[in-house]
Amino acid sequence: EDKVVQSPLSLVVHEGDTVTLNCSYEVTNFRSLLWYKQEKKAPTFLFMLTSSGIEKKSGRLSSILDKKELFSILNITATQTGDSAIYLCAVYNFGNEKLTFGTGTRLTIIP
Amino acid sequence: EAQVTQNPRYLITVTGKKLTVTCSQNMNHEYMSWYRQDPGLGLRQIYYSMNVEVTDKGDVPEGYKVSRKEKRNFPLILESPSPNQTSLYFCASSPQRGFEEKLFFGSGTQLSVL
Repeated sequence: EDKVVQSPLSLVVHEGDTVTLNCSYEVTNFRSLLWYKQEKKAPTFLFMLTSSGIEKKSGRLSSILDKKELFSILNITATQTGDSAIYLCAVYNFGNEKLTFGTGTRLTIIP
Repeated sequence: EAQVTQNPRYLITVTGKKLTVTCSQNMNHEYMSWYRQDPGLGLRQIYYSMNVEVTDKGDVPEGYKVSRKEKRNFPLILESPSPNQTSLYFCASSPQRGFEEKLFFGSGTQLSVL
């Protein structure tokens, strides 16, 4: 059974801090790892990673994948209150064509 | 605007009273799916549909039904809701199964079964 574990479960930091969120996985037939941001509504897509060592970047957010050690990190620099959300990690298994989600990291940014 | 629309956003009901949560997408997507999200368990797939009249079970299908009579609509039916179905539900769609980076989610339906 595929498994995705995110850590920490919850994180509270001050505005301006840099945070690193972790996602480790066990999946047969790995194809991709995805990060989502979930505020009070729908998860919205941030990144999809398929290759090790290639950083994906969007503004203050960046992410990288390590397929040997089976994990990914999501970095957010110079955090703002608008970054407060649950961040979800998911992996796609191309064998059974299934997307498995982690439980998420709840990030709270204090002004 | 491309979107997945779910209704209602909030629903409180009682055990055993049949209910339907509607889902509609305007992107001509072939693939649609229902998830439930519970604390400590993440998002789990209930049912999915690869096209009109083609549906299949996900990881937690017990107690739910779906139908896909039209491409744009994928309602979730709870014939006899029970308190363990209290959850946050999301409908999602993508152009086809396997286009995981193009999976669009609806805004969610918070269901409470008393």
